[in-house]
Amino acid sequence: NAGVMQNPRHLVRRRGQEARLRCSPMKGHSHVYWYRQLPEEGLKFMVYLQKENIIDESGMPKERFSAEFPKEGPSILRIQQVVRGDSAAYFCASSPDSMGETQYFGPGTRLLVL
Amino acid sequence: GQQVMQIPQYQHVQEGEDFTTYCNSSTTLSNIQWYKQRPGGHPVFLIQLVKSGEVKKQKRLTFQFGEAKKNSSLHITATQTTDVGTYFCAASAGGTSYGKLTFGQGTILTVHP
Repeated sequence: NAGVMQNPRHLVRRRGQEARLRCSPMKGHSHVYWYRQLPEEGLKFMVYLQKENIIDESGMPKERFSAEFPKEGPSILRIQQVVRGDSAAYFCASSPDSMGETQYFGPGTRLLVL
Repeated sequence: GQQVMQIPQYQHVQEGEDFTTYCNSSTTLSNIQWYKQRPGGHPVFLIQLVKSGEVKKQKRLTFQFGEAKKNSSLHITATQTTDVGTYFCAASAGGTSYGKLTFGQGTILTVHP
């Protein structure tokens, strides 16, 4: 059973460009969570999605950031007009449901904005 | 919003010494989870505690959940170099966003051989 998959693993963008981060949850998992981790810091919740629904986006900046989890295909975290402060590791996690089940994390996407 | 404080931020030990990290919240927690992240890696689930006063053991690791469900600890007996990494506690938000986790700042453990 493949784990959570994220791609790309590393992404370099120049200021003003767009970044698209993809996450495929574990098989059978319908809940996806995105977290951001700055160097030597903890993980900060960004957004929680189920298929075709955003459940909680309280941790996501109001501008430039968006997330989706379509009926078919991976979940996507999109950052428009990236700035240097967006440089971080972005982790996706999935769980079979939301009732306190273990979250399984993907390997992350390391975004570097030049 | 919910906040979880974790101490210490750093811990350096000699191999064979014990290690403890503590997690505290000002509010009662639904549950608490512990994760380990190796340098350059991703968080890996270790355990979940749900009941007041719960104690769980995994080999050399002992996890405790306080009676008031506001604090938790992870204790490692006789550390080994393979224990190196950052240990995070994470608390569930509860309610309709039960799966949303609030992470502590983490404790970075260094083990000197």
